[in-house]
Amino acid sequence: GDSVTQMEGPVTLSEEAFLTINCTYTATGYPSLFWYVQYPGEGLQLLLKATKADDKGSNKGFEATYRKETTSFHLEKGSVQVSDSAVYFCALSGDTDKLIFGTGTRLQVFP
Amino acid sequence: KAGVTQTPRYLIKTRGQQVTLSCSPISGHRSVSWYQQTPGQGLQFLFEYFSETQRNKGNFPGRFSGRQFSNSRSEMNVSTLELGDSALYLCASSLAGLAGVEEQYFGPGTRLTVT
Repeated sequence: GDSVTQMEGPVTLSEEAFLTINCTYTATGYPSLFWYVQYPGEGLQLLLKATKADDKGSNKGFEATYRKETTSFHLEKGSVQVSDSAVYFCALSGDTDKLIFGTGTRLQVFP
Repeated sequence: KAGVTQTPRYLIKTRGQQVTLSCSPISGHRSVSWYQQTPGQGLQFLFEYFSETQRNKGNFPGRFSGRQFSNSRSEMNVSTLELGDSALYLCASSLAGLAGVEEQYFGPGTRLTVT
């Protein structure tokens, strides 16, 4: 079945460092891909999405490009802030029209 | 516009008991999905309701059930609780439940602890 694999955390960075969180997927057909973020004590919020190959989703300085050839959707940000500390989830929605999540990656940013 | 609300926020139950969790979607949203979040299994899809009908279901035992009312509010019920049911239960709402194209709006969750 469909699945999402993302890098284990925690990822620990200093403020203004470059961020990459890797995400790869397995799916039949052409899924939509998402990044969600969960701040402490809160539910998930959609960060960005891409619905077809080569689409780039972007929001709040975060970017991810839908790469069908490598089945990847890596999350990047050029300069992280302390306020970006959260858990990030990669997810897909395929033929079953439900969200399938990766295990989440905790990001900790220190001043 | 009010967000997705879930009640209660925290719950402690004993093994063998049953529990009911409630979710009120954003006004106008007709689809409600439920997810279980645990440290070991991550986020797993439980089921989705649209217009009072269960439209999609994950791989959970029959002890997990749900329903949706005519005002789109949804409840999920877990009977005969087990220790492994301890988790954060999240609900998400959207206009039509088209997860591939619509944003799913998540509530803050209900933290269930089974002792």
